[in-house]
Amino acid sequence: GALVYQYPRRTICKSGTSMRMECQAVGFQATSVAWYRQSPQKTFELIALSTVNSAIKYEQNFTQEKFPISHPNLSFSSMTVLNAYLEDRGLYLCGARDPGGADTEVFFGKGTRLTVV
Amino acid sequence: SQWGEENLQALSIQEGEDVTMNCSYKTYTTVVHWYRQDSGRGPALIILIRSNEREKRSGRLRATLDTSSQSSSLSITAAQCEDTAVYFCATDATNTGKLTFGDGTVLTVKP
Repeated sequence: GALVYQYPRRTICKSGTSMRMECQAVGFQATSVAWYRQSPQKTFELIALSTVNSAIKYEQNFTQEKFPISHPNLSFSSMTVLNAYLEDRGLYLCGARDPGGADTEVFFGKGTRLTVV
Repeated sequence: SQWGEENLQALSIQEGEDVTMNCSYKTYTTVVHWYRQDSGRGPALIILIRSNEREKRSGRLRATLDTSSQSSSLSITAAQCEDTAVYFCATDATNTGKLTFGDGTVLTVKP
């Protein structure tokens, strides 16, 4: 079956420091990977959509300078939160799919919960 | 119902009851995804309905899609305690994996 492993599951970092999270796709080709942040109120914000061999598209209010993303192959993507502050807290999720596949399902990792102290 | 500026909805039912959650979307889509999210976990797809399907069933789940009104519903028959979760609808208007989520419904099933 298709799975996405995301790690770390949770992390605590000091204000102003950075942390990196990674997603590994198993059982399918993660041609596109979208990174989201979920607030404590459960709303989702799309940070960026990454497609292998294409430019990464960031949503409004999110920048490459703050959330650099790497998507070097069809099974791996990482995102870093640089200079994290309180407003960056939340559950970060990667959602991956293979647009060329027969289904349009997006597979999510279990999330990385970021706490900033 | 759930979308856009609406806040997270909450439903509380007794075990064995049926429940329906509604979702309306703003942009054209050919598929509506329904996800459930358990506490501390990422969303997991539970049913996906395409524009050429007015209804789709999977076990105790039933999804409907009305493209003319741009709305979808998810029904759970004979809810069980383990159905307690947050349920989201989501659309992928660009067919790129860029999902737009509804605000979600917190479903609590009491024994």
